[in-house]
Amino acid sequence: EVQLVESGGGLVQPGRSLRLSCAASGFTFDDYAMHWVRQAPGKGLEWVSGIIWSSIAIGYADSVKGRFTISRDNAKNSLYLEMNSLRAEDTALYFCAGAREGMELWSNFDYWGQGTLVTVSS
Amino acid sequence: IVMTQSPATLSVSPGERVTLSCRASQSVGSNVAWYQQKPGQAPRLLIYGASTRATGIPARFSGSGSGAEFTLSVSSLQSEDFAVYYCQQYNNRVTFGQGTKVESK
Repeated sequence: EVQLVESGGGLVQPGRSLRLSCAASGFTFDDYAMHWVRQAPGKGLEWVSGIIWSSIAIGYADSVKGRFTISRDNAKNSLYLEMNSLRAEDTALYFCAGAREGMELWSNFDYWGQGTLVTVSS
Repeated sequence: IVMTQSPATLSVSPGERVTLSCRASQSVGSNVAWYQQKPGQAPRLLIYGASTRATGIPARFSGSGSGAEFTLSVSSLQSEDFAVYYCQQYNNRVTFGQGTKVESK
């Protein structure tokens, strides 16, 4: 069974940092590109960042570029998102998603985790 | 690329045929996917490549279109299909539509 389990969310003050993790199981992790997608309360989906299987190609939404860093550890079947200089508008449920087209940065997302909630507030 | 979905909300009864629309601000070829999201759940992939059903998706779901106009159809809506539906383009980076909520009439 495919599982993506996010962790690391919580309440953080504006300007502070947070690191999200996503543990993958049930599929060959290093065959997949991986992404972070967020959803603000009551709002739609917003792509945040993506990384192909080899980490050679990485992309960020303009709203987080320069503040967030995506990385992966294929040996640990894990995906990460380092979030710095957090703002109130970063408040959202952050989903980890896997894309079967491992060499493509832009593709559909086959698997999704249940999300971890990040709240940025003083 | 901006993806615009219509309508924002659709009120339907079980058994009805449902058609959801998604328009891209420029051509995205066939690089469009559709997702279903129920309250408190993660999105689920329904359709990719504009018209290919994902594994395990019932045949009542179908997708069509290319270029800038896309459609998701549900031939006979079941009670478990009430949800929010999102389109996504992945031709040039990734963007999602704002969603269409399918609710019970």
